[in-house]
Amino acid sequence: AQKITQTQPGMFVQEKEAVTLDCTYDTSDPSYGLFWYKQPSSGEMIFLIYQGSYDQQNATEGRYSLNFQKARKSANLVISASQLGDSAMYFCAMREGQRSGAGSYQLTFGKGTKLSVIP
Amino acid sequence: ETGVTQTPRHLVMGMTNKKSLKCEQHLGHNAMYWYKQSAKKPLELMFVYNFKEQTENNSVPSRFSPECPNSSHLFLHLHTLQPEDSALYLCASSQGMGGVGYGYTFGSGTRLTVV
Repeated sequence: AQKITQTQPGMFVQEKEAVTLDCTYDTSDPSYGLFWYKQPSSGEMIFLIYQGSYDQQNATEGRYSLNFQKARKSANLVISASQLGDSAMYFCAMREGQRSGAGSYQLTFGKGTKLSVIP
Repeated sequence: ETGVTQTPRHLVMGMTNKKSLKCEQHLGHNAMYWYKQSAKKPLELMFVYNFKEQTENNSVPSRFSPECPNSSHLFLHLHTLQPEDSALYLCASSQGMGGVGYGYTFGSGTRLTVV
């Protein structure tokens, strides 16, 4: 089963509007971290925001906020006031706390959502 | 300056060639990673090094050979590759292996084309 699911292959948003990128995750580990990365066409993965499973409040970083709904296992990224420079691929990722076989401690990524900001 | 530098940025190689990808981090991190990113596929973890010791090898074919001489440098040696190995290869580093709050810092990647 996929650990990180991003159901939107592509999204369009008007400049200055807000947009929500969906992410659901699957884990039985009580301790985990959720990350969002942005990947422009240049290829570099840029860290945007982090949410810990025990954090009581939703994380915010400037125009980025994370809508964390633990019971639903969702961690959607909200970008407010979209800018043309926000056009990129966006990846949701998770890091689990318990070692559980091969691949432990690694970041597991979703397939990504391509966001296009329209002027 | 991203803190993680990868060279070269682009590489075209024949199937019989031998080449190496280089990654260097200037962040004082102790864990380094190689990821492969193919079109329409999730990022695939290839190798993990913690304090120069390899801790993960996710069933990567032997035509990919990693080397980590110290905590700041990571290489990926390539030989007799296949066209399906064409991809973006990303290097990353992190402060620690444990701890869910440790995110990765990525380099800009090497875009590899095997002809």
